[in-house]
Formats: sequence, structure tokens, C-alpha cells
Amino acid sequence: SQTIHQWPATLVQPVGSPLSLECTVEGTSNPNLYWYRQAAGRGLQLLFYSVGIGQISSEVPQNLSASRPQDRQFILSSKKLLLSDSGFYLCAWSVPDGGIAGELFFGEGSRLTVL
Amino acid sequence: EDKVVQSPLSLVVHEGDTVTLNCSYEVTNFRSLLWYKQEKKAPTFLFMLTSSGIEKKSGRLSSILDKKELFSILNITATQTGDSAIYLCAVDGGAQKLVFGQGTRLTINP
Repeated sequence: SQTIHQWPATLVQPVGSPLSLECTVEGTSNPNLYWYRQAAGRGLQLLFYSVGIGQISSEVPQNLSASRPQDRQFILSSKKLLLSDSGFYLCAWSVPDGGIAGELFFGEGSRLTVL
Repeated sequence: EDKVVQSPLSLVVHEGDTVTLNCSYEVTNFRSLLWYKQEKKAPTFLFMLTSSGIEKKSGRLSSILDKKELFSILNITATQTGDSAIYLCAVDGGAQKLVFGQGTRLTINP
């Protein structure tokens, strides 16, 4: 069966510090991978998605970046965090099907607080 | 740009009530509409709707899609405190990504 792991679960970082959130998927090949951010109690904002190794689509211009160094690994990074980067970050995957996103399967999320 | 709007944003009812959550969308190349429930961390999948007028049902939850009027509703009957959650609506516009609405925070009071 497929599983998704996301870490760290919680982190508190000072403004200006770097960030690295990691997500890995097991039990499937060539998944579509996604990073979403959720403000407190609200909907999900798509940040990045990837349909293959090295292929990253950015939805929101900001000081975050994403990379996919391996087929089932997706990393969200920042060189210098801003206060506005605080939030709940969710990684997700789906089975690609001819351009259709399909059902997304989510990780447990990473809660980031920037002070 | 694809857009999803949910209403109400917040709803508080008593246990046993029936609730209806709304989701309207604007999308260039509609493929499907999905509902998720988020209690604490990871959203969990409820329904995927692709055809108009066909109700999907799971226990006390049901959902239907109207592709002409571009909306969907999620009904929950005989609500329980365990139904308290954020309910998320998302649309697949064929670009290999889901666009989510703002969510509806549902609170069920005993």
C-alpha cells in the first residue's frame, strides 16, 4: 500500500533563517507531488506541484522554492524565512492519469511558526 | 484562473441537525469536483463527482453536482459531534492540480 511521510511535524524558526521540509512517498512510482499551505483554519493554497523528477511548477511567487531530486521525494525550501511564511504546510500525492489530478492523498502536515 | 468559493465559511449547529454546505466553481476545463474532511491534520477524501445529478452517498453524508449551474452541495444528516471539522471543496481543471476553496468550518454542539 502507498504511504506518505512528511517531516518535521512542527518547527519554530526565527525570521531570516532557512527552511527545509521534506516529503517522501512509498509504494507508487512517478506520482504527482504537491505542496499546499493552509492559513489558520482556512482552505489550501497550492504552492508547487511536480509531475516528474526535476519538473516543478510554481503557483505563487514568493521566497519559497521546491525541488524533486528523486521520483518520490519532494522538498520545500527557503533561504530566508519571513513572518508571513508561518502556516500549516501539507504535502500530497496523486496517481497521474492523462492530465487529471485525481484524488490527492495528504501527509500529516508541518506546522511552521516564524518568530 | 480557476476559482472555487465555499459557503458558509463557518457554521455552528446542534447535534441532530441537518446541514448543507455549498461549493461553486469557475474552471476552464472541468474534470471533477472533490470533497475532503479535515479534522486536525491531513484532509481525508469524501467524494469525487464528475457527472451532474448523480448523488454520491456515504452513510449520513451525501453530495451532488450541478455542472450547468457550476456548484455542488454536501449534505450531512443527523449530525454528530464527530462531524465537526473543516470541509474542503476542490476542483480538478485538467492541469494536474486541484484548486481548493476556503473551506467551511463546521461545529456541532452537543
